[in-house]
Formats: sequence, C-alpha cells, structure tokens
Amino acid sequence: AQSVAQPEDQVNVAEGNPLTVKCTYSVSGNPYLFWYVQYPNRGLQFLLKYITGDNLVKGSYGFEAEFNKSQTSFHLKKPSALVSDSALYFCAVRGGTSGTYKYIFGTGTRLKVLA
Amino acid sequence: DAGVIQSPRHEVTEMGQEVTLRCKPISGHDYLFWYRQTMMRGLELLIYFNNNVPIDDSGMPEDRFSAKMPNASFSTLKIQPSEPRDSAVYFCASSFGTHYSGNTIYFGEGSWLTVV
Repeated sequence: AQSVAQPEDQVNVAEGNPLTVKCTYSVSGNPYLFWYVQYPNRGLQFLLKYITGDNLVKGSYGFEAEFNKSQTSFHLKKPSALVSDSALYFCAVRGGTSGTYKYIFGTGTRLKVLA
Repeated sequence: DAGVIQSPRHEVTEMGQEVTLRCKPISGHDYLFWYRQTMMRGLELLIYFNNNVPIDDSGMPEDRFSAKMPNASFSTLKIQPSEPRDSAVYFCASSFGTHYSGNTIYFGEGSWLTVV
C-alpha cells in the first residue's frame, strides 16, 4: 500500500532564512510526488511535482523539492522564506504501477514564518 | 478556465437531514476525486471516478454516503442521514490523464459542512 509521511506538524522559520518541509513516501513502482499548499479557508493549490528526470524540481513561488530515491524522500525547500509563505503544506504520492490512480496525501505541515 | 467549482461553499444542517454537495470539474478532465478533510484524520480520499465511472469507493465511510457522476461535468456527494461526525470540509478535485500518467489534480475551494 502506498503512504506518505510528514514527520513535522509545524515548522517555524525566521523570514529570510531557508526553509525545509520534510516528506517521505512508500509506494510500489516509480512514484509520482506532489506538493500542495493550503491557505486558511481555501482549497489546496498545486506547487510542484516530480514525475521523472532531474531530481531537483522547481515550482511556484520560489519553492523547489529534491527527490531522493534511496531515502524515499521528497523534501520541500525555499532559499529565503517570506511571511506570506505561512500556510499548511501537503505532500502527496501516487504509485506508478497499474491498477491504481489514488493520490494519497500526508497529514500536512504547518509552516510559520516569523517576521 | 474557471477551475473546479463546488457548491455550496458553506452548509449548516441538522442531524438526520440529507446533504448534497455538488461539483463541476475542469472541462476536459476525465478523473474526479472526492476528499474529506478533518483535523483528526487529515485529508482522506473518499471515492474517485474515471470517465464518469466509480473506480474506487473504498474510502467512503459508510452506507450513508453515496456519490454519483451522471455526466462529465457534474458530480454529487450525498450524505443521508447526516450526523455531527460528518462535519468536515469536502473537496472535489479533477485531473486529466491516462492510467499511467502523473498528472496534477486540481482542487475546488471546498464545501464546509457543519451538522448540528
């Protein structure tokens, strides 16, 4: 069965500092990995995804993520955090084998950027 | 494109009443998903459709929940009878892709349900 784990409920970082939000996954076959962001009282917005190719993926709002197959991780990063980045972040995985089209989401990590 | 459209955005209903949530996917998308978000359980996949056909409903909590997709542009999630523990945000999402693609799914703004 496929699963995704976000080990931190909350991450605090000072504005201007680099940020990392962690994600690990378990899936059969090659994974499709995604990051989404949710602002208060809104739906989930797509940030970036890894399908194949370069392990470093760049996405919206200056975010990037690094796929590490040996560690089964897909951590979200940003070189310099903004207060406006404060939100709930979700990692999601979809397995690459036939017979499934389920996108499974982690429990979310609340990012708080302090001014 | 207008994105995934959900209605109602907010609903407060009394226990025992029927609740119907509606979703219009992005035009041309052939997959539609219903998710439920709660503080306790996070984001749960309830059911998904491909070309209007339900593929996996293993996440539907119980028989009180049902979902339909009569055509490519409309889906409903119905709860009958509703209970306070059904209070949650219900998201509809859609995507386009083959069975093997890693296409992005796009979410609506959610339907915020409160059952009192």
